[in-house]
Amino acid sequence: GQNIDQPTEMTATEGAIVQINCTYQTSGFNGLFWYQQHAGEAPTFLSYNVLDGLEEKGRFSSFLSRSKGYSYLLLKELQMKDSASYLCAVRDSNYQLIWGAGTKLIIKP
Amino acid sequence: GAVVSQHPSWVICKSGTSVKIECRSLDFQATTMFWYRQFPKQSLMLMATSNEGSKATYEQGVEKDKFLINHASLTLSTLTVTSAHPEDSSFYICSAEQGTGSYNSPLHFGNGTRLTVT
Repeated sequence: GQNIDQPTEMTATEGAIVQINCTYQTSGFNGLFWYQQHAGEAPTFLSYNVLDGLEEKGRFSSFLSRSKGYSYLLLKELQMKDSASYLCAVRDSNYQLIWGAGTKLIIKP
Repeated sequence: GAVVSQHPSWVICKSGTSVKIECRSLDFQATTMFWYRQFPKQSLMLMATSNEGSKATYEQGVEKDKFLINHASLTLSTLTVTSAHPEDSSFYICSAEQGTGSYNSPLHFGNGTRLTVT
């Protein structure tokens, strides 16, 4: 079966750095997405990786290793507004998006 | 760009009634829209894929007669929850892709509809 694993919850301090991991086993691979979802709101797109390596976008970076079935989202200079759930999703060979359950990130002052 | 509007943002209805949720792509045409359901602290669950001008494709376990989907134009899809029951209470989210269906096309989501059935 297809599976995506993320930690359920993480806590970090304002101003610090946090890394949210995602591992996947899917039927084929056509890219991995990271989304941010604030409580009670819809997800918003953060990043897309299809090749190995690091993609940087301001305070957020996303890394992919296809051979390991592994990705992480790195958030730097954490702000209170970064408190949200972070969803990892993989597009499989059938073009379907397989979603992880999300990681709830709690930022403390 | 790539704004998806969903309405209503929340609705409370009595058991046995029907509720219609609208999803519009405001600044792009969406041949395909997706309807998701999300229970508290759980992942997004794809309910159905809505295709303009044709029947929706439902995921396994989703009752097509209960969750009616209509995609009458390239900018509007509707989901009607018929004869709603308390177990249908959930967060319903629509989404659409901007672009020609390439692999790196992200989904753009509406703001979701919180449905509470009493």
